[in-house]
Amino acid sequence: AQSVAQPEDQVNVAEGNPLTVKCTYSVSGNPYLFWYVQYPNRGLQFLLKYITGDNLVKGSYGFEAEFNKSQTSFHLKKPSALVSDSALYFCAVRDSGYALNFGKGTSLLVTP
Amino acid sequence: NAGVTQTPKFQVLKTGQSMTLQCAQDMNHEYMSWYRQDPGMGLRLIHYSVGAGITDQGEVPNGYNVSRSTTEDFPLRLLSAAPSQTSVYFCASSRGGASNYGYTFGSGTRLTVV
Repeated sequence: AQSVAQPEDQVNVAEGNPLTVKCTYSVSGNPYLFWYVQYPNRGLQFLLKYITGDNLVKGSYGFEAEFNKSQTSFHLKKPSALVSDSALYFCAVRDSGYALNFGKGTSLLVTP
Repeated sequence: NAGVTQTPKFQVLKTGQSMTLQCAQDMNHEYMSWYRQDPGMGLRLIHYSVGAGITDQGEVPNGYNVSRSTTEDFPLRLLSAAPSQTSVYFCASSRGGASNYGYTFGSGTRLTVV
């Protein structure tokens, strides 16, 4: 089965600094990769996806992700973090039958 | 356009009781799925459906049943609730197919089994 791993339970960054949330994947064939964000007591919101094409994918709220095939990674990035970016971030990969397999999530804390 | 609607938002059950978590979408999405979210475990797939009349098991199906009689609705039934089923449940839908759109999630149902 296709899977993703998020090696960090929590990432702390100061407001205005760049942020990176890491994700690595394990798939057979071409990966279909996604990032979602979850704010407290809310459902998950779609941020961006990689299917094919450019390795740098731009998404919502100023986020982008870099697909790296040689490192099997799909890290989420933002040039300048905001306090309001504090949330739980999930990486996911599409499995057969359109199911998504999620990582365990990374809690991002942006401090003023 | 309401998206994905889940009811109820909160529920407390006693061990052994049964209940149905409702999920409805108004986007004509073929694909629907149920996940449970537990601390430190991310989201785990319970059941999914690729269209009306078609359902299949995900990673953690035991103790849950689903049916898909219409495109819009995908209810999740707990047959005999157990404390291990205390969790937050999310329903999601997708257009599916080669376009590979992202999922749309409901706002969740927080279930406590005592």
